[in-house]
Amino acid sequence: NAGVTQTPKFRILKIGQSMTLQCAQDMNHNYMYWYRQDPGMGLKLIYYSVGAGITDKGEVPNGYNVSRSTTEDFPLRLELAAPSQTSVYFCASSYSAGSPTNYGYTFGSGTRLTVV
Amino acid sequence: QQQVKQSPQSLIVQKGGIPIINCAYENTAFDYFPWYQQFPGKGPALLIAIRPDVSEKKEGRFTISFNKSAKQFSLHIMDSQPGDSATYFCAARSGGGSEKLVFGKGTKLTVNP
Repeated sequence: NAGVTQTPKFRILKIGQSMTLQCAQDMNHNYMYWYRQDPGMGLKLIYYSVGAGITDKGEVPNGYNVSRSTTEDFPLRLELAAPSQTSVYFCASSYSAGSPTNYGYTFGSGTRLTVV
Repeated sequence: QQQVKQSPQSLIVQKGGIPIINCAYENTAFDYFPWYQQFPGKGPALLIAIRPDVSEKKEGRFTISFNKSAKQFSLHIMDSQPGDSATYFCAARSGGGSEKLVFGKGTKLTVNP
């Protein structure tokens, strides 16, 4: 049981390049999320999805796009990379509302992205 | 207000000490308050969580104290060990069916031997 798998682990992009961060979960969770983590700033929600075909913006969506064609996969797309997108990106998944108290999020191990 | 304020930013204790990390919130619609532990190079992992109708929850050496009227909650780590050195995040769920979590900025805990 792999949990949440993120690829790649590290990536260096040049300004203006595009890339897709991959995220896959095998727990049949219907909710999935993308967060970015910057030093001393905690985790900021970029986009989330409550099920296949349904996505919505989080707190910091500008410069990013997502899609959710299957329950398992939730890729994050950067179209025109900018230095401000240098960050560590975490994908997470969870069950829906009404779950037991300790259901929580399951996070992937992250993608460290540097834009130069 | 979709915000959770966490303090302190960093904390250093000796082995066996009891570090306390505090969080405060404004939105009374928050309905679930988890704490996450993150080691360097890893994703955050759920440590312990509480609902607002409970004032305290204990799991092993970790305890959450919750004060609903003050809109504050805190994490206590009893008999802290060097292996507890990590960054800790408090969070709050906004409910409404989205399951979105709002995170505090994190506390870097160092437990010296």
